[in-house]
Amino acid sequence: EDKVVQSPLSLVVHEGDTVTLNCSYEVTNFRSLLWYKQEKKAPTFLFMLTSSGIEKKSGRLSSILDKKELFSILNITATQTGDSAVYLCGAESYNTDKLIFGTGTRLQVFP
Amino acid sequence: EAGVTQFPSHSVIEKGQTVTLRCDPISGHDNLYWYRRVMGKEIKFLLHFVKESKQDESGMPNNRFLAERTGGTYSTLKVQPAELEDSGVYFCASSQGPLAGGGNTGELFFGEGSRLTVL
Repeated sequence: EDKVVQSPLSLVVHEGDTVTLNCSYEVTNFRSLLWYKQEKKAPTFLFMLTSSGIEKKSGRLSSILDKKELFSILNITATQTGDSAVYLCGAESYNTDKLIFGTGTRLQVFP
Repeated sequence: EAGVTQFPSHSVIEKGQTVTLRCDPISGHDNLYWYRRVMGKEIKFLLHFVKESKQDESGMPNNRFLAERTGGTYSTLKVQPAELEDSGVYFCASSQGPLAGGGNTGELFFGEGSRLTVL
């Protein structure tokens, strides 16, 4: 059965810290991995990764995929309180149009 | 541009009652998805519409759940009769193209979710 596992489940840091969120996957006919940020209610799209080793960046956030080891990381540098959210990782396959999500990592950034 | 809207935000019902959740996708988005998050667990796929057709309903838990998308615009998800284990947050999402199609950006737009509490 396809699955996505995220770690840690929860993270508490202070502003300015750098964090790394992990996502491992086992998906048949894997196509891409997506990261979402869920602050209050609606998850919002961050990155889509399809190729190994190519880092995607958006401001202080960056993400990379390793298709050999079947994982992805999401890095946030110089964290701010506004980064507090649940970060969701989802994987999709060529077979189907659905995303398989992990449980998410809850990040809390304190001043 | 209006995002994906869901109604209601929160519904509290008793076991055995019926609830209907509604989702209005972004205008022009043919692809509409329903997902569900049960407390403490991951968000799980329920089904996928392309316009008014059910493309994939492999995630629907059982026949107490009925999803429709008449006319290919808004969608409803009815739970009848509701059971305790149906409690959770039901997310709707829409996209312009299919996720598995070529050239897509992967951008799936989510609604804020409808929280269902079954007592």
